[in-house]
Amino acid sequence: NAGVTQTPKFRVLKTGQSMTLLCAQDMNHEYMYWYRQDPGMGLRLIHYSVGEGTTAKGEVPDGYNVSRLKKQNFLLGLESAAPSQTSVYFCAGKVDSGANVLTFGAGSRLTVL
Amino acid sequence: DQQVKQNSPSLSVQEGRISILNCDYTNSMFDYFLWYKKYPAEGPTFLISISSIKDKNEDGRFTVFLNKSAKHLSLHIVPSQPGDSAVYFCAARPGGSGSYQLTFGKGTKLSVIP
Repeated sequence: NAGVTQTPKFRVLKTGQSMTLLCAQDMNHEYMYWYRQDPGMGLRLIHYSVGEGTTAKGEVPDGYNVSRLKKQNFLLGLESAAPSQTSVYFCAGKVDSGANVLTFGAGSRLTVL
Repeated sequence: DQQVKQNSPSLSVQEGRISILNCDYTNSMFDYFLWYKKYPAEGPTFLISISSIKDKNEDGRFTVFLNKSAKHLSLHIVPSQPGDSAVYFCAARPGGSGSYQLTFGKGTKLSVIP
């Protein structure tokens, strides 16, 4: 049982490059989330999905896009990376709207030079 | 506007003593509160939670207290152990429709000194 798996774990990008972070889960999560964690800022919600084929903006969505083509996967894309997007990204999920506890992945550390 | 506030960035406690981590919130719509624990290079893991209909929830060494009138909750760890050294995040969610999101505080780094 892999849980919530994020790939890659580490990535270094140059300004303007694009990349995609993949979150895969085998926990039957209907709801999935992308957060970023920055020093002194806590966890901030970027985008989330309430089911396959749905996405919605969170607190800090600018510069990111997401897709949920399959229930198991939630992709976070950076079309043109900026140094301000240097952060640790966490994917999380939960089974349904009644659930309160999110299960997090181990994180993906992204550095934009 | 920060809706969940953890005003102490760090806390140091001697092993065996009590650790008290505090959290304040401003949104009256929040009706469920959670504490997450995070070790370096790992994702946050759920620790304990409390519903707004309660004022206390206990799980082993961990107890969460909720004071709704003061919009304040606290996490007590007794006795503190070196393995408790981590960053603790307070989180909250509103009730009703649209309650998909958890709002997190900035975290408090707890250091338990042997």
